[in-house]
Amino acid sequence: DQQVKQNSPSLSVQEGRISILNCDYTNSMFDYFLWYKKYPAEGPTFLISISSIKDKNEDGRFTVFLNKSAKHLSLHIVPSQPGDSAVYFCAANQIRETSYDKVIFGPGTSLSVIP
Amino acid sequence: DAGVTQSPTHLIKTRGQHVTLRCSPISGHKSVSWYQQVLGQGPQFIFQYYEKEERGRGNFPDRFSARQFPNYSSELNVNALLLGDSALYLCASSLGVGGFTDTQYFGPGTRLTVL
Repeated sequence: DQQVKQNSPSLSVQEGRISILNCDYTNSMFDYFLWYKKYPAEGPTFLISISSIKDKNEDGRFTVFLNKSAKHLSLHIVPSQPGDSAVYFCAANQIRETSYDKVIFGPGTSLSVIP
Repeated sequence: DAGVTQSPTHLIKTRGQHVTLRCSPISGHKSVSWYQQVLGQGPQFIFQYYEKEERGRGNFPDRFSARQFPNYSSELNVNALLLGDSALYLCASSLGVGGFTDTQYFGPGTRLTVL
């Protein structure tokens, strides 16, 4: 029973275009969401987060959108660069938690940005 | 500045053996968390320690244990290894003061193979 789903295992995008990575969740108690990027042979790196009181959060080329009614979030990368090629994980938790023991990661989407 | 370091990088064990994985957090970070990442899945939370006390525990059997030392480094121990324990084990450190909203910094992981 996957509580956090990333239904696209992989995505290819041309350099300079927009990359859109999607994430769906089933647990309505989740109210804090994060995106991580992972290169091969490295650990995940935090990218951006959003709490359920917002529907958008922006950091440079990265924007996360949250649609609570649809239990859906997406990460937009504009413009995409070859260095963005990595696996992207969506994660969800409940903000009242004081530890990470309830955090759930999705299975990841592998993004390839083609020069 | 040194990031999170983990040792060893790779490890091969046989079923029934015991393994100890080590993690050194970023200087000044007091919280260490451990995750298991099986191929094709996202990281799954195992333990979190803060100031040498267990703050959170994931849904893993008692064969898994951990501890944190006075210098905030940590060990993850797994007894009676099973084939299904083969995975990438990730360690993450954080300041520990903000609960789940603290940014976690991940190490490169230890790749454990159980034969």
